[in-house]
Amino acid sequence: AQTVTQSQPEMSVQEAETVTLSCTYDTSESDYYLFWYKQPPSRQMILVIRQEAYKQQNATENRFSVNFQKAAKSFSLKISDSQLGDAAMYFCAYRNPNYGGATNKLIFGTGTLLAVQP
Amino acid sequence: DGGITQSPKYLFRKEGQNVTLSCEQNLNHDAMYWYRQDPGQGLRLIYYSQIVNDFQKGDIAEGYSVSREKKESFPLTVTSAQKNPTAFYLCASSTRPRDGYGYTFGSGTRLTVV
Repeated sequence: AQTVTQSQPEMSVQEAETVTLSCTYDTSESDYYLFWYKQPPSRQMILVIRQEAYKQQNATENRFSVNFQKAAKSFSLKISDSQLGDAAMYFCAYRNPNYGGATNKLIFGTGTLLAVQP
Repeated sequence: DGGITQSPKYLFRKEGQNVTLSCEQNLNHDAMYWYRQDPGQGLRLIYYSQIVNDFQKGDIAEGYSVSREKKESFPLTVTSAQKNPTAFYLCASSTRPRDGYGYTFGSGTRLTVV
């Protein structure tokens, strides 16, 4: 069964600094998708970034980028120039793209709570 | 604008009462999901539906029920059998997994037992 592990329950970063959140996953599939979601205090889940496993190039979205290491099954999120508004719970997620059955749901990690210090 | 709407934002339930949480989407998504989130915790899947008139239990379905009579709607009923229903509930929807997209989430309903 696929699993997603976030080993850092809490992280802290100074404003304007860079922080990296870790995520590892376990799968026997070669084709899949990975995501990072942000959940600020409002509790709204917001998609931060998405990575397609068959693409070697790491995804980037403005100050957010990933380090996707397929062989190591690692998918870390780097936040550059951290801002106070980045303070949130961050969830890593995996999705099997094969339609049908019970195997294609998003599988979430347990989350990393990021604090941004002014 | 397309999106997913959950209502109400806050809901209070008396002991022994059933309550229904609404979830409506106009994204034409096939699949819909209900998650429960307790304070400081991750997401736990309650029920999901991949097609109209069909749904499956997730990891914590006991004490909950759902229906999927329309593609746009996936209401969740928290029954009196759910012993600890106080939590934040999130509804989500998605396109086919092959499309490669994640979920679109609603803004959630906070349920409190009084």
